[in-house]
Amino acid sequence: NAGVTQTPKFRVLKTGQSMTLLCAQDMNHEYMYWYRQDPGMGLRLIHYSVGEGTTAKGEVPDGYNVSRLKKQNFLLGLESAAPSQTSVYFCASSYSRGNEQFFGPGTRLTVL
Amino acid sequence: EDQVTQSPEALRLQEGESSSLNCSYTVSGLRGLFWYRQDPGKGPEFLFTLYSAGEEKEKERLKATLTKKESFLHITAPKPEDSATYLCAVGHSSASKIIFGSGTRLSIRP
Repeated sequence: NAGVTQTPKFRVLKTGQSMTLLCAQDMNHEYMYWYRQDPGMGLRLIHYSVGEGTTAKGEVPDGYNVSRLKKQNFLLGLESAAPSQTSVYFCASSYSRGNEQFFGPGTRLTVL
Repeated sequence: EDQVTQSPEALRLQEGESSSLNCSYTVSGLRGLFWYRQDPGKGPEFLFTLYSAGEEKEKERLKATLTKKESFLHITAPKPEDSATYLCAVGHSSASKIIFGSGTRLSIRP
């Protein structure tokens, strides 16, 4: 039982490049979330999903897109990376609305 | 407006020196209050869920308690390996998101 896994662990991009971060969970959770964490800013919600085929915006969605084609996977895309998107990205999942979330190990992204 | 405030921002203790971290919250329709531990460079690790005032949960040297307005994370006789950032969060009964506090950085000196 791996819990929540994230791929890749580290990535360096140049401004304007695109990439996709993959999150997978094996707990059969309905809800999945993408956060970014920056020094002094805490965890900020980017996008989330309440079930397969659904997505919704969080508090900082601009510059990101997401897809939830399978229940166990939640993808975060950056179409044209900017230096302001340098951050650590965490994926999380939960069983249902308002319940505790379980986090992945994170992806450290640097945009030059 | 739903809000979570943690204090202090940072706490430095000597090994064996017990203390408490505070999490104050305002939320209409509390689903649960959650405590997490986060080590540098890692994702938050789930510790406890508290559902109603008066509830207590324990794990090793940690004990979490809940009132109608705040939660405390008591740490008894801490060891250097307890050094981490501790995050508090609340879940709303009618919202998909949970609200995180900014965390308390705990440092235990040997």
